[in-house]
Amino acid sequence: RKEVEQDPGPFNVPEGATVAFNCTYSNSASQSFFWYRQDCRKEPKLLMSVYSSGNEDGRFTAQLNRASQYISLLIRDSKLSDSATYLCVGNTGGFKTIFGAGTRLFVKA
Amino acid sequence: NAGVTQTPKFRILKIGQSMTLQCTQDMNHNYMYWYRQDPGMGLKLIYYSVGAGITDKGEVPNGYNVSRSTTEDFPLRLELAAPSQTSVYFCASSYLTRDTEAFFGQGTRLTVV
Repeated sequence: RKEVEQDPGPFNVPEGATVAFNCTYSNSASQSFFWYRQDCRKEPKLLMSVYSSGNEDGRFTAQLNRASQYISLLIRDSKLSDSATYLCVGNTGGFKTIFGAGTRLFVKA
Repeated sequence: NAGVTQTPKFRILKIGQSMTLQCTQDMNHNYMYWYRQDPGMGLKLIYYSVGAGITDKGEVPNGYNVSRSTTEDFPLRLELAAPSQTSVYFCASSYLTRDTEAFFGQGTRLTVV
């Protein structure tokens, strides 16, 4: 089983839709989590950190469920510019930062 | 605002050739990393460094070497290139290891033929 697993998608949604991605992790020692965004043929960039208490930034909400070992990302009112690959990232402490394979999102007009 | 700079952006190597991928950062970060990303896959850690003079292996170090003589520079050396090393290589740096953002370079697209 992969340490960090994501549904690769693609998710095809219309503008204005709400879309949610889940990511599961296998190592219960994982301590910190992030969502990164990667545009086609570009480098990953931090979208947001994920806290147990939840984290909201505008249209984006991230949640962590330690009991079930998954994190989620909710995007409300999707924009064309949200089209990208979203990478789930877990850190077990030290330097072992594990990236998921990514979930591809296409937002269509 | 240079951030993390990688060179070259693209390179085609023949099997058995060697090359060095350059990475430099101007944010005074102690932690630096090399990742590779194969199509449709996540990033895999090749090597990392916690400061000048200190490096260690990540998940997939075979076929690669690194050095860290200064805080700014973290070159990745490929010896005897193989087709399996065809990938996109990203260098990254961060201020700390946990709970902090990693900043990535723009990547080097390497093809070994």
